[in-house]
Amino acid sequence: GIQVEQSPPDLILQEGANSTLRCNFSDSVNNLQWFHQNPWGQLINLFYIPSGTKQNGRLSATTVATERYSLLYISSSQTTDSGVYFCAVERGGANNLFFGTGTRLTVIP
Amino acid sequence: NAGVMQNPRHLVRRRGQEARLRCSPMKGHSHVYWYRQLPEEGLKFMVYLQKENIIDESGMPKERFSAEFPKEGPSILRIQQVVRGDSAAYFCASSPNRAYNSPLHFGNGTRLTVT
Repeated sequence: GIQVEQSPPDLILQEGANSTLRCNFSDSVNNLQWFHQNPWGQLINLFYIPSGTKQNGRLSATTVATERYSLLYISSSQTTDSGVYFCAVERGGANNLFFGTGTRLTVIP
Repeated sequence: NAGVMQNPRHLVRRRGQEARLRCSPMKGHSHVYWYRQLPEEGLKFMVYLQKENIIDESGMPKERFSAEFPKEGPSILRIQQVVRGDSAAYFCASSPNRAYNSPLHFGNGTRLTVT
């Protein structure tokens, strides 16, 4: 099956710092999404980004499908950004998203 | 527009009992997906349903687990004769069409604890 690797597994930031989270995948995909799971367990869809670049406030994401990776940028981090960030991909013909193991982000004041 | 609604939020069952988890998709969404998250792990796909049809159940355990999405009412994930290993968070997601070209929106999950 497809492999999805996220790095780093854990990240601790001072409030106000910037960060880049990476997602590598082992096969071509036609769907890639980034999710944030907050400390209360809620899953929020951040980006639907099979290719290209998108921005939403302090967050932006870039997917280079030909090189099989995606990056999530968090600028001016806030304590509310803490949680686990998941990358999830879908191959053509599949009926579901395959999730990576996540990056656990802790933002300290 | 209400989001994906799951209930109950927390469910405690003793070994051998049945667990029924409910999911109401977002308005206008006819595709429902169930995922399971074990502690400290990512989400794992279980089943994909459209109204009255199971499209893909390749992630469902072969025994004790079943899912339905009737013409009227919520989607139900049913676990019979629960065991401790079933303790997990179960998330439901919905989309207006197939996942590959639309974002998935998840509910807040049901946390099942088997004692």
